[in-house]
Amino acid sequence: ELQVVQSGAQVKKPGESLKISCKGSGYSFTSYWIGWVRQMPGRGLEYLGIINPADSNTIYSPSFQGQVTMSADRSINTAYLQWSSLKASDSGIFYCARILEATIMDVWGQGTTVTVS
Amino acid sequence: QSVLTQPPSASGTPGQRVAISCSGGSSNIGSNTVNWYQHLPGTAPQLVISTNDKRPSGVSDRFSGSKSGTSASLAISWLQSEDEADYYCAAWDDSLNAVVFGGGTKLTVL
Repeated sequence: ELQVVQSGAQVKKPGESLKISCKGSGYSFTSYWIGWVRQMPGRGLEYLGIINPADSNTIYSPSFQGQVTMSADRSINTAYLQWSSLKASDSGIFYCARILEATIMDVWGQGTTVTVS
Repeated sequence: QSVLTQPPSASGTPGQRVAISCSGGSSNIGSNTVNWYQHLPGTAPQLVISTNDKRPSGVSDRFSGSKSGTSASLAISWLQSEDEADYYCAAWDDSLNAVVFGGGTKLTVL
């Protein structure tokens, strides 16, 4: 089955680091970019950026450049999103999605809730 | 304030047709394709329309999309209770070098 599965919810304190994951299965993981999207409480969707799992090339949204780091381990079909020093404003639900082509996100993960408090 | 503008809410009764608008500018909708996503809170968003008007496999043919100039629209025919969700439009923005989303429209089936 074609799917992306994300790691579980996290509760952290300000200043702590965090790395969440997104594992693809049922398709050639290195053939498609992975995108990351945030939803803050009560708000809409925001685009963080994309990563190519084949070579870890990344393109960040200017709004999130320097705020988060995307990475990938092609050997285990997993992409990551990490923070080095969390702030309360980093709280939200983070989704990863396969990029079918151009900007089309066709398969989404179930989301990872990050609470910083 | 989202770059793409959607009405915050829409509603209809079962069997009706509803349309959700998405307004942008020359750097996004005006020069790039639009995708639409259905999102039930607590679940994974689902692609319902890609590239302005293409329906992915498995998506009901009650969903249709269109684009004209700097605006796009998602229409849902024969409205059903299961259609109640948040709907987001999205497009690449050449000026921002990022995907931009609309603020989302909460569809209520009365």
